[in-house]
Amino acid sequence: KQEVTQIPAALSVPEGENLVLNCSFTDSAIYNLQWFRQDPGKGLTSLLLIQSSQREQTSGRLNASLDKSSGRSTLYIAASQPGDSATYLCAVYTNAGKSTFGDGTTLTVKP
Amino acid sequence: DAGITQSPRHKVTETGTPVTLRCHQTENHRYMYWYRQDPGHGLRLIHYSYGVKDTDKGEVSDGYSVSRSKTEDFLLTLESATSSQTSVYFCAISGLAGVSDEQYFGPGTRLTVT
Repeated sequence: KQEVTQIPAALSVPEGENLVLNCSFTDSAIYNLQWFRQDPGKGLTSLLLIQSSQREQTSGRLNASLDKSSGRSTLYIAASQPGDSATYLCAVYTNAGKSTFGDGTTLTVKP
Repeated sequence: DAGITQSPRHKVTETGTPVTLRCHQTENHRYMYWYRQDPGHGLRLIHYSYGVKDTDKGEVSDGYSVSRSKTEDFLLTLESATSSQTSVYFCAISGLAGVSDEQYFGPGTRLTVT
């Protein structure tokens, strides 16, 4: 059974700092991996999707990497801002239509 | 944002009553999903659909049924609601490229079973 772990569970940083969020998974036979952002009381917003054949994806200040062999993905956020405060979730898709989500990392960026 | 709506957005119901949640999309995406989100359990897949009238079970399907008679609508039914089904329910869609495509989520339905 696929298990997805996100460490740390919570992170607090001062504005402007660069930071890395981690996602690890136990079964490397994945189709792809997706990073989401969730604001309190809201739905999930897609940030980046990395196909299993890719090593990384970039969008603005965000860069996500994928190492299937080691079962790890990282989300790098450059020059963090208070508006980046949210819970960040990773999801791994392994079988047709099946997905496993991590519990998320709650990020607080202090002004 | 992907064109996904969920209704109702909030519902309070009593134990033992049937409840139907609706997910509607305007994107013509093939795949649709129902998840529940609970503290300490994260997001868990309930059921998904890979086409009209084609559905399959997810991780936590007991007590739930689904139907998809049109591409744009995916219904989740709690046949006889229980307090353990109090949760936030999210619908998601993915797409045109199949299961390897990005998932887009709706705004969620907060269901309370008393």
